[in-house]
Amino acid sequence: SYVLTQPPSVSVAPGQTARITCGGNSIGSKSVHWYQQKPGQAPVLVIYYDSDRPSGIPERFSGSNSGNTATLTISRVEAGDEADYSCQVWDGTGDHPVVFGGGTKLTVL
Amino acid sequence: EVQLVESGGGLIQPGGSLRLSCAASGFAVSSNYMSWVRQAPGKGLEWVSVIYSGTGTYYADSVKGRFTISRDNSKNTLYLQMNSLRAEDTAVYYCARVVVPASSSSLWFDYWGQGTLVTVSS
Repeated sequence: SYVLTQPPSVSVAPGQTARITCGGNSIGSKSVHWYQQKPGQAPVLVIYYDSDRPSGIPERFSGSNSGNTATLTISRVEAGDEADYSCQVWDGTGDHPVVFGGGTKLTVL
Repeated sequence: EVQLVESGGGLIQPGGSLRLSCAASGFAVSSNYMSWVRQAPGKGLEWVSVIYSGTGTYYADSVKGRFTISRDNSKNTLYLQMNSLRAEDTAVYYCARVVVPASSSSLWFDYWGQGTLVTVSS
């Protein structure tokens, strides 16, 4: 089945830019979606279709996807952005159609 | 306002059964794809099952043959029947509404419930 690989952790100072990667074989040919999850809370969709933002998600959140890597970029990071971030794709060719990455813990220093 | 409220979790012995419920409001489960996603303690998200707006259902290999997803349109509720439970099924179980674009080229989750904890232990 398809595998998505994320770094376990990313650290960034407030006001700086955080980049969280999601690696997969030819992931650029798939649509990637990103979720934010704070401790004890349900996941929240922050990016869908590689780079689209749901209503209510700040413009500071953006996404890109090419080749074997998709990236979630958070500009002007705030303390409230500290959370786990997970990428997700739909692998329609397999019996396991929905795949999540292992998640990345974003720490705001 | 879209809301999803899970219930039915608890402590269950290995080999036991449990049925989770997810009461939806603000939309009709009958006309949406719906899914269950779980998260073991300290681990990442793991997709469990999806039910299409028709009758199609799919399951992760780890639960295939043991779990059954269904819905009651009259109650606007999604279910997950879990049989032959194992210790590795211990997790918070989330229900989520699925978005499938017209192109059917992908799938994602736009609303999630708060989750219900299932603990499988003797």
